[in-house]
Amino acid sequence: NAGVTQTPKFRILKIGQSMTLQCAQDMNHNYMYWYRQDPGMGLKLIYYSVGAGITDKGEVPNGYNVSRSTTEDFPLRLELAAPSQTSVYFCASSRTTGTAGANVLTFGAGSRLTVL
Amino acid sequence: QQQVKQSPQSLIVQKGGISIINCAYENTAFDYFPWYQQFPGKGPALLIAIRPDVSEKKEGRFTISFNKSAKQFSLHIMDSQPGDSATYFCAASSYNQGGKLIFGQGTELSVKP
Repeated sequence: NAGVTQTPKFRILKIGQSMTLQCAQDMNHNYMYWYRQDPGMGLKLIYYSVGAGITDKGEVPNGYNVSRSTTEDFPLRLELAAPSQTSVYFCASSRTTGTAGANVLTFGAGSRLTVL
Repeated sequence: QQQVKQSPQSLIVQKGGISIINCAYENTAFDYFPWYQQFPGKGPALLIAIRPDVSEKKEGRFTISFNKSAKQFSLHIMDSQPGDSATYFCAASSYNQGGKLIFGQGTELSVKP
């Protein structure tokens, strides 16, 4: 059972370049999320999706775009990379439990992005 | 605005000691408070969670203490072991905000042998 798979694991970009971080889950989870992790800042929510075709902004969406065409995949697009987007990016998924607020997130292993 | 504030940022504990990590929140609508554990090079994983209708939850050596009136909760790791060395994140979510988790800043725990 793969869980949440992220690719690539590492990437170096030049300022202004574009790229897509891939995320796939095989647990048939409804919810998917993208977080970024910066030292001393914790995990900040970039975008999330409650199902195929539905996405919404999180705390720090500027500079990013997402799409959710299938239940399994939730790619994160960086259009014009900036040094401020240097970070570790985590994709996560969860199943709606029917219990208020009880989303148990399964995280991928992360994608480390450096923008120079 | 940091909705969930976590302290300390780093913690060094001797093997067998008690590790204590604290979190404070502002939004009284939060109704679910998990702790996640992250090892180097890995994604975070759920460790233990609590709801505000109880003041304490224990799972093995890990205990969450919850103080609703003070809007604070803490993680206690009893008999800390070198294998507990990791980064710990507290988080909070509310049903009326779609259950999205808001994370604290993280605490890097090092347990010395």
